[in-house]
Formats: sequence, structure tokens, C-alpha cells
Amino acid sequence: GAVVSQHPSRVICKSGTSVKIECRSLDFQATTMFWYRQFPKQSLMLMATSNEGSKATYEQGVEKDKFLINHASLTLSTLTVTSAHPEDSSFYICSARDPASYYNEQFFGPGTRLTVL
Amino acid sequence: DAKTTQPNSMESNEEEPVHLPCNHSTISGTDYIHWYRQLPSQGPEYVIHGLTSNVNNRMASLAIAEDRKSSTLILHRATLRDAAVYYCILRVNYGGSQGNLIFGKGTKLSVKP
Repeated sequence: GAVVSQHPSRVICKSGTSVKIECRSLDFQATTMFWYRQFPKQSLMLMATSNEGSKATYEQGVEKDKFLINHASLTLSTLTVTSAHPEDSSFYICSARDPASYYNEQFFGPGTRLTVL
Repeated sequence: DAKTTQPNSMESNEEEPVHLPCNHSTISGTDYIHWYRQLPSQGPEYVIHGLTSNVNNRMASLAIAEDRKSSTLILHRATLRDAAVYYCILRVNYGGSQGNLIFGKGTKLSVKP
């Protein structure tokens, strides 16, 4: 299957700083990418959907000014957590849809564990 | 998005078959049934999906009830590496456009040696 990478795999930062997480589709061009968040022992929650070259669509309750999403190319999307606080500590997972796959399949990255001190 | 119901957890012995059930009584005609699994501290991994007919691939089999209100993911011989949370997801498909993947709580499968 197609490969999606994330960088970094884990990050620890101080409260009030901003953190950028990169998501790349390595062997396909993804017109649509997704960002999920997962708290310990909970399921994945969809945060936003981004289409290349346009603004992201955020799910209800997700602050767009706090979680900045940029999908500047067909292989790269970034999530920036601005002014991070301890409650933002979570496992962030990106996903990319391969329009060339038969069923428009969605592939997931390995996740980024964010810890805010 | 249509809702699915799965048991919170299941246990299996290594090298025995595992049947993971999923109820989706409000499924619509355009919903595909997808299964993903998530190993600890990893992103979800696609397992299998189907619409009406049973499906087989190298990872698993998917048995879909005739009325489509339930389905069962079958792992033919569980291994320790199959220990994961298994998610049953309904995904809308209309006019070739796919809906988003919305995850429920899933079933945590434990495999005993």
C-alpha cells in the first residue's frame, strides 16, 4: 500500500510554544489530507480535512486559529499547534487519500506524539 | 455518518480463528463497510472493506450479513502481532466520492500465546 510519513515522531515542548508537524505522502499525490487527534485510551477524532491549495475544513469544536493547517503541495500537509498547552498533549495522526487507488483509499501516517510541559 | 457498534474487547488464543462482530443497523445503501486496525502507538492500518458480498484478502475475511445490518471480520489464524484495536467504519460512497473515515471506539483484541 501507499506510504504516509510524519515528522517528527515525537516532540516535547514547553507551554506557550508552537509546534509544527509534517505529513508527507511518499509515493502518491494526495489531493486530500486529514488530521486526527487521539487521547490515551480513546479513539481517533477527526480534526480537519485539507485539500491542496485551499483552506482546511475544521470539525466542530476544533479551533482553526490554534491548529493551523497548510496543504501547500500534493505531497505535504503541515499542522501547527500554536501556543501549545498541556491539554494539547496528544497523539496526532495524519492521513492521505490516494485518488489513483481503485477505491480512493485513505492511508495513515505513523503518528506524532506531542507532550507539552 | 451511520453508527457502528462493536464489543469493547475480545480475547483469542494464538493460531486460533477470531471473529470480530460489528453491528450497523442504520447502514444505508451507499455505505461501504471498512475495517481498520491500530497497533499500539501506531497509525491505523487498512484491513479490508466490502459492500454486499463477502470479501477475502491476505489479511482477513469479511462476512457481510444479507441485510447488511451486521458484519464480521475474520482472522483465520490469530498471531501475537494481530493484537490491536479493530475499527469497523461505515464510509459513504456517492458518485465516486468517498466520505470521511469516522472512527468509533473499536474492539481491543488481545491474543494469548
